[in-house]
Amino acid sequence: KQEVTQIPAALSVPEGENLVLNCSFTDSAIYNLQWFRQDPGKGLTSLLLIQSSQREQTSGRLNASLDKSSGRSTLYIAASQPGDSATYLCAVSLPGNTGKLIFGQGTTLQVKP
Amino acid sequence: EPEVTQTPSHQVTQMGQEVILRCVPISNHLYFYWYRQILGQKVEFLVSFYNNEISEKSEIFDDQFSVERPDGSNFTLKIRSTKLEDSAMYFCASSSAGRSKFFGPGTRLTVL
Repeated sequence: KQEVTQIPAALSVPEGENLVLNCSFTDSAIYNLQWFRQDPGKGLTSLLLIQSSQREQTSGRLNASLDKSSGRSTLYIAASQPGDSATYLCAVSLPGNTGKLIFGQGTTLQVKP
Repeated sequence: EPEVTQTPSHQVTQMGQEVILRCVPISNHLYFYWYRQILGQKVEFLVSFYNNEISEKSEIFDDQFSVERPDGSNFTLKIRSTKLEDSAMYFCASSSAGRSKFFGPGTRLTVL
């Protein structure tokens, strides 16, 4: 059974710092992996999607990498800003492409001015 | 930018009552989903829907739940007889094949 784990559960950094959020999954047979941002009491905003054949994706200050064989993904945030404060979720989609996503618990990030 | 919308934003109901949560997916998407998030817990998959039928459902999605696409734009989740443990945030999502899933803002369901 696929399980997704995110470490750390919470992270507090000063503004301007570069940081890495970690996501691991137990079964390397995934279709793709998606990173989301969730603000308190709000919906999920898609940040990056990495297909299983890709190694990384970049969008602005965000870079996500995928190492399928080791069951890991990282989300790198460069030059963090207070507006980056949110919970970051990773989710894997399984082969068969029914679209089911399995989510991690999330990392809650606080960027202090 | 197109987005998924959900109504209502908050629904309060009495245990045993039926509720219908509504979603308008992004117009050119063909895949539709419902997820839920109990406070403080992971986001959980409920059901996926494609070509007017359920393509996968979780063990949570029992006979009390149903989904429907009554017209070309709406996608609904019905809970027939709500229980206290159904209290959660319910998210609708849509996607094109193999592409990013876009989530709505959610409906907070409170069962009293």
